[in-house]
Amino acid sequence: DGGITQSPKYLFRKEGQNVTLSCEQNLNHDAMYWYRQDPGQGLRLIYYSQIVNDFQKGDIAEGYSVSREKKESFPLTVTSAQKNPTAFYLCASSILLAAYEQYFGPGTRLTVT
Amino acid sequence: GESVGLHLPTLSVQEGDNSIINCAYSNSASDYFIWYKQESGKGPQFIIDIRSNMDKRQGQRVTVLLNKTVKHLSLQIAATQPGDSAVYFCAENEGRALTFGSGTRLQVQP
Repeated sequence: DGGITQSPKYLFRKEGQNVTLSCEQNLNHDAMYWYRQDPGQGLRLIYYSQIVNDFQKGDIAEGYSVSREKKESFPLTVTSAQKNPTAFYLCASSILLAAYEQYFGPGTRLTVT
Repeated sequence: GESVGLHLPTLSVQEGDNSIINCAYSNSASDYFIWYKQESGKGPQFIIDIRSNMDKRQGQRVTVLLNKTVKHLSLQIAATQPGDSAVYFCAENEGRALTFGSGTRLQVQP
């Protein structure tokens, strides 16, 4: 059963702690993406990666970091430098050069108090 | 579920009617325009896309219209069903990733 998995669905952290969100795909896609979604807004791009060991900043990368050591995995770390980390985080993937056809995971809701 | 779109514009239609959801985009250089459907607590689901050199594309019960003169995109859903209730986002693509609009909530009344 192919797809994108994100875990956990809900995550709670104290302010000042770093937290890593998981994203795994078995679609054999080269490109992977992280988006942030706030209530009443569309998705905003945090980071994307088109190939293993390479990634690029999106529109709102400050306070976040990523790694791409394996094709299947693209974890996102929300650092303590992110001023407003509470949000719904969505991971997506696509074949290379086909960013117009992205497949999304179920999302992780992060709450920082 | 996830509180997506608390303050989104809302379109309310009767079951069986046709729905039209509109979107204004900003980038004239975008290659593709895409519609996504997002149900509460879930990730967006691809509905249909249209390339910038087209003005109309039809899918199953859905039609997307593109007017590049006024930078306008619309999604038409025929015979709207309760299962169509969700938040709908338009997105545009120029190369690297997607730029999303703010979304419209579709409510289908039985």
